[in-house]
Amino acid sequence: DSGVTQTPKHLITATGQRVTLRCSPRSGDLSVYWYQQSLDQGLQFLIQYYNGEERAKGNILERFSAQQFPDLHSELNLSSLELGDSALYFCASSVEGGRTYEQYFGPGTRLTVT
Amino acid sequence: AQSVAQPEDQVNVAEGNPLTVKCTYSVSGNPYLFWYVQYPNRGLQFLLKYITGDNLVKGSYGFEAEFNKSQTSFHLKKPSALVSDSALYFCAVRDKEYTDKLIFGTGTRLQVFP
Repeated sequence: DSGVTQTPKHLITATGQRVTLRCSPRSGDLSVYWYQQSLDQGLQFLIQYYNGEERAKGNILERFSAQQFPDLHSELNLSSLELGDSALYFCASSVEGGRTYEQYFGPGTRLTVT
Repeated sequence: AQSVAQPEDQVNVAEGNPLTVKCTYSVSGNPYLFWYVQYPNRGLQFLLKYITGDNLVKGSYGFEAEFNKSQTSFHLKKPSALVSDSALYFCAVRDKEYTDKLIFGTGTRLQVFP
């Protein structure tokens, strides 16, 4: 158990809908990362927050947004969902935002868009 | 751009034999390299990292990795494979020297046969 929690574990929704994925980092970790894992794209970095502020952006669609709250939990919002958004979404956290620190991953949320 | 390559989609090895999972990298600046393992329906688990120092890095579950600057490689190794080591293994590199996001390889499926 990495100490990173994600809810829900599974999510099934229809095209055009909006969903929110939630992540709680390990106790004491300030940095949260979101990744998407799909068969065709592999593991792709989406976005990083550090202590409430956005730090880095990856291949995140404009339909997707995220935030980190004062208690350091983070939410990833996915809107106007398309079939291609079906994937496993991982949250990870690290002690700080530094490059030498490993990231610890949550169990993921499996999103299925029908 | 920083990148890692995992040239083998799958590696098969008999239990008790040594295993190697290959990874090569392409970076500008110092390489910060990581290995993760993913078991079915689980998140990624951190195994080990190379930041600086000894070229042989020891990690969790008896795994180690050898950093080779001249060959730009960071191969994962284990002296004696277990059936329970069967999983998906990812090599990753920090995006740039001063950002935190991880860039993952395509993954190598390790199958250990009894």
